[in-house]
Amino acid sequence: AQSVTQLGSHVSVSEGALVLLRCNYSSSVPPYLFWYVQYPNQGLQLLLKYTSAATLVKGINGFEAEFKKSETSFHLTKPSAHMSDAAEYFCAVTRYFGNEKLTFGTGTRLTIIP
Amino acid sequence: GAGVSQSPSNKVTEKGKDVELRCDPISGHTALYWYRQSLGQGLEFLIYFQGNSAPDKSGLPSDRFSAERTGGSVSTLTIQRTQQEDSAVYLCASSKTDSSYEQYFGPGTRLTVT
Repeated sequence: AQSVTQLGSHVSVSEGALVLLRCNYSSSVPPYLFWYVQYPNQGLQLLLKYTSAATLVKGINGFEAEFKKSETSFHLTKPSAHMSDAAEYFCAVTRYFGNEKLTFGTGTRLTIIP
Repeated sequence: GAGVSQSPSNKVTEKGKDVELRCDPISGHTALYWYRQSLGQGLEFLIYFQGNSAPDKSGLPSDRFSAERTGGSVSTLTIQRTQQEDSAVYLCASSKTDSSYEQYFGPGTRLTVT
């Protein structure tokens, strides 16, 4: 079975600082990995996805993530945090790339300090 | 274009009552998912519809939960004899069968069982 673990339920960074949100996966088959963002009282929005085409994936709003098989990781980064990045972020995995249910991590709430 | 819509946005019900939650997917999307987001369980998959195939009900927590999708479009999630532990935000997502398979989420229905 596939699963993802997000280390750190809360992360605070200063405006302009590096954002690093951690996600490790467990999968018996090559995983397909996603990062979603949820702003207050809104649904989830896809930030980026890994589908084995490239290990470094660039997404919206300046975010990117690198798939590292040796570390079973798919950490989300952004070089310079903006106040508008404050939200909850979810890592997710599917068994295959297609119409398939997402298995989510527990989420990381990102706070930006002015 | 319209996104995924859900109604009602908020629902307060008494323990033991039945509730119906509605999801209108994006037009042309063949796949429809229901997820539940709660403090105790995080984001969890409930049920998945794909075209005319039998739905994947593997995430439904009990037989009090059921869902249907009429005409390959609108879906209704029904919870019978609601319990306090059913209090959560119920999210609907839809996707189309193309190279992206991106799931687009609605804003959710917040259910409170008193």
